Amino acid sequence: NAGVTQTPKFQVLKTGQSMTLQCAQDMNHEYMSWYRQDPGMGLRLIHYSVGAGITDQGEVPNGYNVSRSTTEDFPLRLLSAAPSQTSVYFCASRPRQGMGNQPQHFGDGTRLSIL
Amino acid sequence: DAKTTQPNSMESNEEEPVHLPCNHSTISGTDYIHWYRQLPSQGPEYVIHGLTSNVNNRMASLAIAEDRKSSTLILHRATLRDAAVYYCATTGAGSYQLTFGKGTKLSVIP
Repeated sequence: NAGVTQTPKFQVLKTGQSMTLQCAQDMNHEYMSWYRQDPGMGLRLIHYSVGAGITDQGEVPNGYNVSRSTTEDFPLRLLSAAPSQTSVYFCASRPRQGMGNQPQHFGDGTRLSIL
Repeated sequence: DAKTTQPNSMESNEEEPVHLPCNHSTISGTDYIHWYRQLPSQGPEYVIHGLTSNVNNRMASLAIAEDRKSSTLILHRATLRDAAVYYCATTGAGSYQLTFGKGTKLSVIP
């Protein structure tokens, strides 16, 4: 099992460029989410999805878009990159049932620098 | 969502027990308490979670205070491979979302 796979692992962008961070999971998990991790800030939720066709905002959604067309994939889009979006981005998934009574599985992250 | 607070850093000697504390004083009755750890350049890894009762698994133990306003992750014998940042997190009431603390960096001294 590959678990949660994130691509690319590293990316450098210029201000104003757009890009998509990819996330795929092979565990048939309905719930998927995106976090950003900044020094001294822990992990903060950007967007999440409870199933195909359903997405919602987390704590820090501004500047990011998501969509969920399949159970397996949950891409994160930066439409116009800003230096404040320099961060490490993590995707996570878990089964839908059980609310808080399920562990989350994380990918290894995408390290993004905006110049 | 309950806010969690953790010490920034802790040290432990190898092969000794480690007690990592977390305060979550605004936790609601249905919120679960989760712990994850993160090694350098890796994603967070699930360690343990619980609701009210103490929990044990192969990695660690979780002790939850009776009033649920605090919890403690217990590593019974610290090894060098346990050196990591440990995050305490809680779920929102009736939701799937985890709210993470800022983490405790654990150093293990040989």
